[in-house]
Amino acid sequence: QKEVEQDPGPLSVPEGAIVSLNCTYSNSAFQYFMWYRQYSRKGPELLMYTYSSGNKEDGRFTAQVDKSSKYISLFIRDSQPSDSATYLCAISSASKIIFGSGTRLSIRP
Amino acid sequence: NAGVTQTPKFRVLKTGQSMTLLCAQDMNHEYMYWYRQDPGMGLRLIHYSVGEGTTAKGEVPDGYNVSRLKKQNFLLGLESAAPSQTSVYFCASSPEPQGAAYQPQHFGDGTRLSIL
Repeated sequence: QKEVEQDPGPLSVPEGAIVSLNCTYSNSAFQYFMWYRQYSRKGPELLMYTYSSGNKEDGRFTAQVDKSSKYISLFIRDSQPSDSATYLCAISSASKIIFGSGTRLSIRP
Repeated sequence: NAGVTQTPKFRVLKTGQSMTLLCAQDMNHEYMYWYRQDPGMGLRLIHYSVGEGTTAKGEVPDGYNVSRLKKQNFLLGLESAAPSQTSVYFCASSPEPQGAAYQPQHFGDGTRLSIL
């Protein structure tokens, strides 16, 4: 079993839709949670970082963590074609970081 | 402000050849990382450095060496390239993380390496 599981997609939604991206993890030792966005042929860029259960909002993006279920989510409101990218979740403890394999998202105009 | 710059962007090697990938950052970050990204496997940490003159092994260090002689530069070396090292290599940097041991913040745009 992988330490972090992420549906690879691809996920295609119309412009303006709410997007939900998810990851599950297996080890409760992981306490820090990140979401990265990666455009084609570019490096990842850090979108959101959180270390507690609950929601964290930044503009159109909301990161949600449920430690009891070992489930993390990224919601994108009012999705735009410029949001089309691969989204990577990452979980970290004091000694290691594990990345999900990424979900490819496409926003249709 | 260039951020993190990787050179070269593309390279094709023959099995057994050696090469060095260069990463440079201009943000005065303490932490630097080398990752490889393969389809379906996500990013995997090869080596990292928590400051000038220090290096440590990550998840997949075999076949690679690193050096951090200057704070702004982090070099990744392949001593004897193998086809299994065909991948996209990313360098990243971050200031000293708050809490999480590894929180890469700024990535370069990668080096696409093919080993024939």
